[in-house]
Amino acid sequence: DTEVTQTPKHLVMGMTNKKSLKCEQHMGHRAMYWYKQKAKKPPELMFVYSYEKLSINESVPSRFSPECPNSSLLNLHLHALQPEDSALYLCASSQESSGIGDIQYFGAGTRLSVL
Amino acid sequence: DAKTTQPTSMDCAEGRAANLPCNHSTISGNEYVYWYRQIHSQGPQYIIHGLKNNETNEMASLIITEDRKSSTLILPHATLRDTAVYYCIVRGRNAGGTSYGKLTFGQGTILTVHP
Repeated sequence: DTEVTQTPKHLVMGMTNKKSLKCEQHMGHRAMYWYKQKAKKPPELMFVYSYEKLSINESVPSRFSPECPNSSLLNLHLHALQPEDSALYLCASSQESSGIGDIQYFGAGTRLSVL
Repeated sequence: DAKTTQPTSMDCAEGRAANLPCNHSTISGNEYVYWYRQIHSQGPQYIIHGLKNNETNEMASLIITEDRKSSTLILPHATLRDTAVYYCIVRGRNAGGTSYGKLTFGQGTILTVHP
């Protein structure tokens, strides 16, 4: 089973709302990732968690707050977003983040619209 | 990580081989070539990766030139379901040399398979 499950699939929120995106994997992977993908652009890395600790933050604004409650779950908390934050948010996981043979498995994404 | 150059788009007839080129002329000795694809409205999917030898798996073959400055992904019998954006990514060690770095997606090649 190489499934990464993301919920919700679609989310519409106002600029004053607080919402959370969720990601779950049961492959025993110890690295998890958040990517952002704007329309017709490639995915861009936002955060990497390795062994439940934040290892990479790609200078993401603080209105995006990641959380890794355990090795199977990854959340992205959203607060005071802007319309330009509307995008497809992708979660991925891999056995660990630093090996060359490390393969990332992606979820289907959450399509976020900020009004 | 080395930059990659791919054609913007390619067409292929169903049942024929699809050959997707990638130029990575600045690749260094410890950098690997990865291929991912993204079918519309889905997350990226790992296809294959290699260092200098040709590689084959159930999805595709990867041919890397002897000087490692370019590579070709081959889908031997393309189907309509292979229509996707194909990303060629070069991944190397972090500055400290202790681990491998993040995946950085370029613009990719839009492959359209026609009936």
